[in-house]
Amino acid sequence: AQSVAQPEDQVNVAEGNPLTVKCTYSVSGNPYLFWYVQYPNRGLQFLLKYITGDNLVKGSYGFEAEFNKSQTSFHLKKPSALVSDSALYFCAVRDRNNAGNMLTFGGGTRLMVKP
Amino acid sequence: DAGVTQSPTHLIKTRGQHVTLRCSPISGHKSVSWYQQVLGQGPQFIFQYYEKEERGRGNFPDRFSARQFPNYSSELNVNALLLGDSALYLCASSPSGGSNQPQHFGDGTRLSIL
Repeated sequence: AQSVAQPEDQVNVAEGNPLTVKCTYSVSGNPYLFWYVQYPNRGLQFLLKYITGDNLVKGSYGFEAEFNKSQTSFHLKKPSALVSDSALYFCAVRDRNNAGNMLTFGGGTRLMVKP
Repeated sequence: DAGVTQSPTHLIKTRGQHVTLRCSPISGHKSVSWYQQVLGQGPQFIFQYYEKEERGRGNFPDRFSARQFPNYSSELNVNALLLGDSALYLCASSPSGGSNQPQHFGDGTRLSIL
């Protein structure tokens, strides 16, 4: 079984400050990890993924995430937040040993960036 | 290039009715997955289809069924609708069935059950 936990329902940050959205995961094998963003009344938009290699992954819109195998974490980060980053963020995991591509999502974290 | 397209965008049904939701994947993508997103929660996996074969099924009752057509488009069918089926239904496509490529999502069909 695979699972994802996003411990914060909401993260508040001032524009220009760094932001972190937390994610921890559980899989029986080695993980593929993803971050998606969802704006109101829209589907999910892919931000970045970890497959293998460098633990620091860079993605779209200046976002990055750090894979930590010992802590089973994949926190999303951005050095300087924008008001337009305000949205719902989802972390997702897939066990690379599974034949299919089923994603298991966390419950989501609402990011609020204030001017 | 067009992204994943879903129809209809909104749908209102009553309990006991059935519904068919449609999805067209990104051109060249052969895998389609369906997810249910209840308000305030993360998406839950329902089905994956690849090359018209079911590749995975989530923990949903038999009232939920799906199929994939030769052009790789897909339909999700839900019978005997319940109030709890009210949700945003998301379709996602990817180039193949089990790769490490990200899935690309449509904007979903919002289903409301009265």
